[in-house]
Amino acid sequence: QKEVEQNSGPLSVPEGAIASLNCTYSDRGSQSFFWYRQYSGKSPELIMFIYSNGDKEDGRFTAQLNKASQYVSLLIRDSQPSDSATYLCAVNLILTGGGNKLTFGTGTQLKVEL
Amino acid sequence: DAGVIQSPRHEVTEMGQEVTLRCKPISGHDYLFWYRQTMMRGLELLIYFNNNVPIDDSGMPEDRFSAKMPNASFSTLKIQPSEPRDSAVYFCASSFGVDYEQYFGPGTRLTVT
Repeated sequence: QKEVEQNSGPLSVPEGAIASLNCTYSDRGSQSFFWYRQYSGKSPELIMFIYSNGDKEDGRFTAQLNKASQYVSLLIRDSQPSDSATYLCAVNLILTGGGNKLTFGTGTQLKVEL
Repeated sequence: DAGVIQSPRHEVTEMGQEVTLRCKPISGHDYLFWYRQTMMRGLELLIYFNNNVPIDDSGMPEDRFSAKMPNASFSTLKIQPSEPRDSAVYFCASSFGVDYEQYFGPGTRLTVT
């Protein structure tokens, strides 16, 4: 089992719809969770982070975390063509004794169609 | 701040040659990370430093790979000898603290023929 799993997609949604991106992780000790967006040929950039169970909203983006189910998701409301990119889920485990281990999923490609 | 700076942006080399990738982190950041990204394996953490000290190099694929951080503003990732399977985009990232946003450089696209 991969440590962080995402559906590679592509996930196609019409403009204005809600895009739902999902991520599961294997290590129950994981403590913080990040969503990065990567446009083709560019470097990843942070969109959201979440540490606690529940929802966290920032503009059109909502991150949802369920530690019991080891599941984190990203919702994008009113999807725009400019949201078309690959979305990377990253999970951070703080190691006993110090240090951390950040593991990325392979990403989900989102396409927002006009 | 100019952000994380990486050089070169593109590197094409022949199998067996030495390759050195360079990174300048954002000033004030105390963590520096080296990643490799391929279509098949996604984004993989190779090694990271805290205050110039290597903390975890378990992601370094083999002894052909080495990384150094001689001071707070410079790091190198060296591959010697290079092989075609090393072809990938290599990213450097830095952060202020271990559990905070990582800022990525533009990447170095390495092609080994």
